[in-house]
Amino acid sequence: AQKVTQAQTEISVVEKEDVTLDCVYETRDTTYYLFWYKQPPSGELVFLIRRNSFDEQNEISGRYSWNFQKSTSSFNFTITASQVVDSAVYFCALSGTGGFKTIFGAGTRLFVKA
Amino acid sequence: EPEVTQTPSHQVTQMGQEVILRCVPISNHLYFYWYRQILGQKVEFLVSFYNNEISEKSEIFDDQFSVERPDGSNFTLKIRSTKLEDSAMYFCASSPGTANTGELFFGEGSRLTVL
Repeated sequence: AQKVTQAQTEISVVEKEDVTLDCVYETRDTTYYLFWYKQPPSGELVFLIRRNSFDEQNEISGRYSWNFQKSTSSFNFTITASQVVDSAVYFCALSGTGGFKTIFGAGTRLFVKA
Repeated sequence: EPEVTQTPSHQVTQMGQEVILRCVPISNHLYFYWYRQILGQKVEFLVSFYNNEISEKSEIFDDQFSVERPDGSNFTLKIRSTKLEDSAMYFCASSPGTANTGELFFGEGSRLTVL
């Protein structure tokens, strides 16, 4: 069975602080794909990143960075110098080899205060 | 920019009534999905659809749910006899390939309230 765990329910930071959102996954598939999506207060789901299980390179995109470690089954997301606009719920997600089903973690609600 | 559109944005219905939620996926996409999100909770997979048939479904997707692509552009989710616990935001998504080849493109959701 596949599972995604986001142990942090809510995080509150002050603007310009760095914040890391944790994601731990479980799967028996040798090929799988990991995602992060953002859900701002307006409610839509916005894709942030996709990673496949063969690519453990960390990725940086502006203030966002992702750390994928197969050894610990983790795919953590860091926001550097957070801004109020980063306030949202962030979901980590996993899709197995078949690709027809993406399962989501419970989400982490991030509050960034000015 | 192409987008997934969903109608209605909000529907209120009485328990036991049938509801149809409609989605227009991005035109060149081949894979279609329904997810739901009970208020403040996780996004849950319901069903995926490819080549006019269900590819995979979750245990939530029981006999009261059905999906259809009636005309080559719309993708619908029908709930035959709604229950209070069906109240949720329902998201349609589409993708050009399976989720493994790229992201899911989500619509803005249809909020269903069952009274």
